Amino acid sequence: GAGVSQSPRYKVTKRGQDVALRCDPISGHVSLYWYRQALGQGPEFLTYFNYEAQQDKSGLPNDRFSAERPEGSISTLTIQRTEQRDSAMYRCASSLHNEQFFGPGTRLTVL
Amino acid sequence: GENVEQHPSTLSVQEGDSAVIKCTYSDSASNYFPWYKQELGKRPQLIIDIRSNVGEKKDQRIAVTLNKTAKHFSLHITETQPEDSAVYFCAATVYSGAGSYQLTFGKGTKLSVIP
Repeated sequence: GAGVSQSPRYKVTKRGQDVALRCDPISGHVSLYWYRQALGQGPEFLTYFNYEAQQDKSGLPNDRFSAERPEGSISTLTIQRTEQRDSAMYRCASSLHNEQFFGPGTRLTVL
Repeated sequence: GENVEQHPSTLSVQEGDSAVIKCTYSDSASNYFPWYKQELGKRPQLIIDIRSNVGEKKDQRIAVTLNKTAKHFSLHITETQPEDSAVYFCAATVYSGAGSYQLTFGKGTKLSVIP
């Protein structure tokens, strides 16, 4: 079946603008995770959803970052007032049990 | 929180030789240890995982071992092939409640298999 998809694949924005990144998980996966991956590093946890409930947001770096999953499927990660340090690859992963399957990521560049 | 150390950061082997990548973790409550392979420009792909109630798991040319006492786990790739060239990440997770299995990753090992 279809894997995890994300859009857009690339996003270039100017400092101070808001961006919204979308994740479409594998059908039937109740768990959804957001990670951020810097170049040459492993993914770093941001937040976790169980169905529509955001049950762990301990990895969000500050209050400019938020996420939602209103119907328990598609999720959106929003970054307000973007800064250059927000530039990274943002990946989501979905899971039914322990195994997490990653999406292709959104490469965010903040100029 | 959990901390995962991974070594080496780069590894070059001749085709047909074996490769071993080692990771240590800090949280003794961690109970699930996946390995991901990431080719250039691609997403991380789960290649093998092990749970804390198992000491070793094998899948064709790849195997993972876990030593809970020493808090380390290793990935072994035998009969390496050029297509094994990639960055490999280890990770550890502990169930943190409400279904969350957030992964803590190592910094990665860039494996190059020389034909």
